[in-house]
Amino acid sequence: EAQVTQNPRYLITVTGKKLTVTCSQNMNHEYMSWYRQDPGLGLRQIYYSMNVEVTDKGDVPEGYKVSRKEKRNFPLILESPSPNQTSLYFCASRATGAWANVLTFGAGSRLTVL
Amino acid sequence: GIQVEQSPPDLILQEGANSTLRCNFSDSVNNLQWFHQNPWGQLINLFYIPSGTKQNGRLSATTVATERYSLLYISSSQTTDSGVYFCAGRRGGSEKLVFGKGTKLTVNP
Repeated sequence: EAQVTQNPRYLITVTGKKLTVTCSQNMNHEYMSWYRQDPGLGLRQIYYSMNVEVTDKGDVPEGYKVSRKEKRNFPLILESPSPNQTSLYFCASRATGAWANVLTFGAGSRLTVL
Repeated sequence: GIQVEQSPPDLILQEGANSTLRCNFSDSVNNLQWFHQNPWGQLINLFYIPSGTKQNGRLSATTVATERYSLLYISSSQTTDSGVYFCAGRRGGSEKLVFGKGTKLTVNP
């Protein structure tokens, strides 16, 4: 089944404790992206990647890092989480090219930073 | 960057009713998409509709790119249509997909 898989789905952590949210897709998509969803704000893009070793900032990159060492994986790293990073996070992927525009989302990862 | 405005922010319907959701963009966009987030948080792509009209069952969407808006029509609504509907788009040459804040739809039995 074609899918985007995120882990963990739920996480409670404390301020300053580094964490990584993994994202993996099995569709051989070039483009991958991370979003955070907060009440009343919709989805905001954190980082995106057009292909292996190519990453770029979205609208809210502060406090986050990403890497794209393999095509299928795009982990989101919070080096020193803070309470304002408590949010619902989504990873998404799509193919690239003029015909490839439909995003496939993971199931989401709900993160709470105490 | 572009601004995306969705209306109404909230909508409550009785099962069987029809509804229209609107999405306005501050600037020209392509790659306009509609998504549904169900009550369990799952995000599903409904339409990729940069222009024109598409239909999928009880749902249809129309985008008038020259006037920078898109409409999502839901006919004969069902309780399973409940959730939040998002539109999103990006400017030509940009990879930043910008989402609206969503329309929360509640369909009561």
